[in-house]
Amino acid sequence: EAQVTQNPRYLITVTGKKLTVTCSQNMNHEYMSWYRQDPGLGLRQIYYSMNVEVTDKGDVPEGYKVSRKEKRNFPLILESPSPNQTSLYFCASSGTGVRELFFGEGSRLTVL
Amino acid sequence: QQQVKQSPQSLIVQKGGISIINCAYENTAFDYFPWYQQFPGKGPALLIAIRPDVSEKKEGRFTISFNKSAKQFSLHIMDSQPGDSATYFCAASSGNFNKFYFGSGTKLNVKP
Repeated sequence: EAQVTQNPRYLITVTGKKLTVTCSQNMNHEYMSWYRQDPGLGLRQIYYSMNVEVTDKGDVPEGYKVSRKEKRNFPLILESPSPNQTSLYFCASSGTGVRELFFGEGSRLTVL
Repeated sequence: QQQVKQSPQSLIVQKGGISIINCAYENTAFDYFPWYQQFPGKGPALLIAIRPDVSEKKEGRFTISFNKSAKQFSLHIMDSQPGDSATYFCAASSGNFNKFYFGSGTKLNVKP
């Protein structure tokens, strides 16, 4: 089954404790991206990657890091989480020349 | 500054009625306008999309109307059903595809 898998789905952590949200896709997609969803703000892009070792900032990259060492994986790293990073996070992927984004089921993060 | 402005924030429609959600944009470089549907606990999924060279696109009960001169586009759901109850996001992207800009979302409730 074609899918984008995110882990963990739910996480409660404390300020300053580094965490990683993993994202993996099995569709051989070149493009991957991370979004955060907040009430009244919709989905905002954090980082995206056009291919392995190629990443770039989206609209709200502050406080986040990403890496793309393999085509299928695109982890989101919060080096020192803060309460304003409490949000619902989505990973998405897409094939070359295809503009349809395939989303994971989301990771709800709470930073205390 | 939000690149895509969406209204209304919430919408209640009776079963069988027409649901209308509106979006507006400023960047004339946008050339792809998708609508995504999101059910609770799930990631958004592509519903229907349009390019600015056409004024309307219909897929079943879902229609996008596009007004290039006004820089507005809207989603019409005909014969709305309780199963259509979800959050709907409009979005826009430009030719290089690397960035998507989403509206703030509309929570639709179709009452039986």
